[in-house]
Amino acid sequence: EAEVAQSPRYKITEKSQAVAFWCDPISGHATLYWYRQILGQGPELLVQFQDESVVDDSQLPKDRFSAERLKGVDSTLKIQPAELGDSAMYLCASSFSGTSFDTQYFGPGTRLTVL
Amino acid sequence: QKEVEQDPGPLSVPEGAIVSLNCTYSNSAFQYFMWYRQYSRKGPELLMYTYSSGNKEDGRFTAQVDKSSKYISLFIRDSQPSDSATYLCAIGETSGSRLTFGEGTQLTVNP
Repeated sequence: EAEVAQSPRYKITEKSQAVAFWCDPISGHATLYWYRQILGQGPELLVQFQDESVVDDSQLPKDRFSAERLKGVDSTLKIQPAELGDSAMYLCASSFSGTSFDTQYFGPGTRLTVL
Repeated sequence: QKEVEQDPGPLSVPEGAIVSLNCTYSNSAFQYFMWYRQYSRKGPELLMYTYSSGNKEDGRFTAQVDKSSKYISLFIRDSQPSDSATYLCAIGETSGSRLTFGEGTQLTVNP
């Protein structure tokens, strides 16, 4: 069964360092989402791509976070500099087209700890 | 006020019990209603979705939506220890748009 792949699974970094997370969606899925899940809370959308274009980044802290999906396939989320409050699970999800009701399939996530 | 409020739990029940999980929402523009299950250290997986008021059944799971009251529920019949997980309600305005999640209810089913 096809799955969303994410790496690394765990990342520990010190504040003010740069970190990057990678996501490979299910093959053929045009829509890709990055969510952040703080412990004990539900996921919150950071950014949504349709192919290589950003369609929603209203909740992305753009002073320190950036995301790209250059060829409309895999994606990278970067944080620079990391802050203590960025400690969370970063989840990537993908769906087929985003234009009709599509299931969002989630990857296993990257758990970030900022010291 | 949060757009989606979910009974936080935690909830602990004996095996075989009927479990009721609930969420309320404030935005009447929401049209798509989902329940995700999340095991520890894993990503959420979709259990059920619906876009109309009423009940939808899938095996031991029943999703219920009342748009007039802005209230959604998930019922689990004959609960099993393998159902122990965090259950998240998720709501969307349009298909493919961002999902707004509740904070999750941690369920433990004791053998």
